[in-house]
Amino acid sequence: DAGVTQSPTHLIKTRGQQVTLRCSPKSGHDTVSWYQQALGQGPQFIFQYYEEEERQRGNFPDRFSGHQFPNYSSELNVNALLLGDSALYLCASSPGQGFRGYTFGSGTRLTVV
Amino acid sequence: GNSVTQMEGPVTLSEEAFLTINCTYTATGYPSLFWYVQYPGEGLQLLLKATKADDKGSNKGFEATYRKETTSFHLEKGSVQVSDSAVYFCALISNDYKLSFGAGTTVTVRA
Repeated sequence: DAGVTQSPTHLIKTRGQQVTLRCSPKSGHDTVSWYQQALGQGPQFIFQYYEEEERQRGNFPDRFSGHQFPNYSSELNVNALLLGDSALYLCASSPGQGFRGYTFGSGTRLTVV
Repeated sequence: GNSVTQMEGPVTLSEEAFLTINCTYTATGYPSLFWYVQYPGEGLQLLLKATKADDKGSNKGFEATYRKETTSFHLEKGSVQVSDSAVYFCALISNDYKLSFGAGTTVTVRA
């Protein structure tokens, strides 16, 4: 059983560009959350999708947007990239509200130059 | 809001030593508590969890007990191995459905 799959694994973008990151949740999971993890820090919650709608949002600007598809997969879009957006972006999935824990993907390492 | 405070590292131990990483939390409602582990270059793996007060989560020799009276969820292992070297994150989820993490504790075990 595949876990959470994220693509691409690594990405280098130029300041001002736009990027799309993709996530396929674990089979049976319908909730997808995205996290940003800067080097040496804990993951910070970006937003969560359930039933194709954004259910919760963290303290991130509108440059960060997302989408969930009918098959529960999800995309994270970041516009007008800044150097400070360089981080590991983690996707996590769970069944329902996540009280039993989330399963994380290996992440996408985004470098903005 | 919800928050997690965990012991700052880095922590360096010898093999077979006892490991404790302190974690305390602030939350509304009745949170579920977790410890996640992150090995170098990898994503996060769920190590153990506890969903209600006095529950003890355990896995791979690690244990943590959900203490509501002290709002704590300290991680312990009696005899660490080199392979336990990683970053450990304490986390909680409450009625806002968001998984909130501590800052992480880097553990290095030397042979």
